Amino acid sequence: GAGVSQTPSNKVTEKGKYVELRCDPISGHTALYWYRQSLGQGPEFLIYFQGTGAADDSGLPNDRFFAVRPEGSVSTLKIQRTERGDSAVYLCASSLGTSGSSYNEQFFGPGTRLTVL
Amino acid sequence: AQKITQTQPGMFVQEKEAVTLDCTYDTSDQSYGLFWYKQPSSGEMIFLIYQGSYDEQNATEGRYSLNFQKARKSANLVISASQLGDSAMYFCAMREGLGNQFYFGTGTSLTVIP
Repeated sequence: GAGVSQTPSNKVTEKGKYVELRCDPISGHTALYWYRQSLGQGPEFLIYFQGTGAADDSGLPNDRFFAVRPEGSVSTLKIQRTERGDSAVYLCASSLGTSGSSYNEQFFGPGTRLTVL
Repeated sequence: AQKITQTQPGMFVQEKEAVTLDCTYDTSDQSYGLFWYKQPSSGEMIFLIYQGSYDEQNATEGRYSLNFQKARKSANLVISASQLGDSAMYFCAMREGLGNQFYFGTGTSLTVIP
């Protein structure tokens, strides 16, 4: 079956521009996560969706970052007025959803490498 | 304080030997889950193994095992019979209770030498 897909795989933009990064989760997965991975670091949580709603957006660094998931499937991460410091790999993950235990395996996409010049 | 600490930026192991990748964690929750992921140079994160805080036995998945020492708050990954394809970054991660966030360490780069 298809895994998590992300497009584009690479995005180069100029400082100040607007970008959109897309994530297509595994079919049937209700939970969707966005992470940012800077060079030499582990993934850093940005936002979590359960269904269509953003259940936890505490990891978004500032109001230039926004994400939507209007139909509870595909999600788009939007970055306004990009800055050089936004350059990173943006990872998307999905899972079946929260359960009664702490086990909740996340399946990751290949990531989008964003470069802001 | 860091939630997950991986103190080995890089490790080398001879092919067919075993290697241990260290991970310590910090939480005050009684219920939590610990995960290990592998990230090859291609970039995708591959789930390897999971250990629940209430699991009494160490988790094992094929050549991967997790040395869980709850009192020390450590969850080291042991890879037995290393293969060249094991060369990658390895990340330890934790989920607290039913929380939504996964906290990742900074990773360990493993190189398997032929």
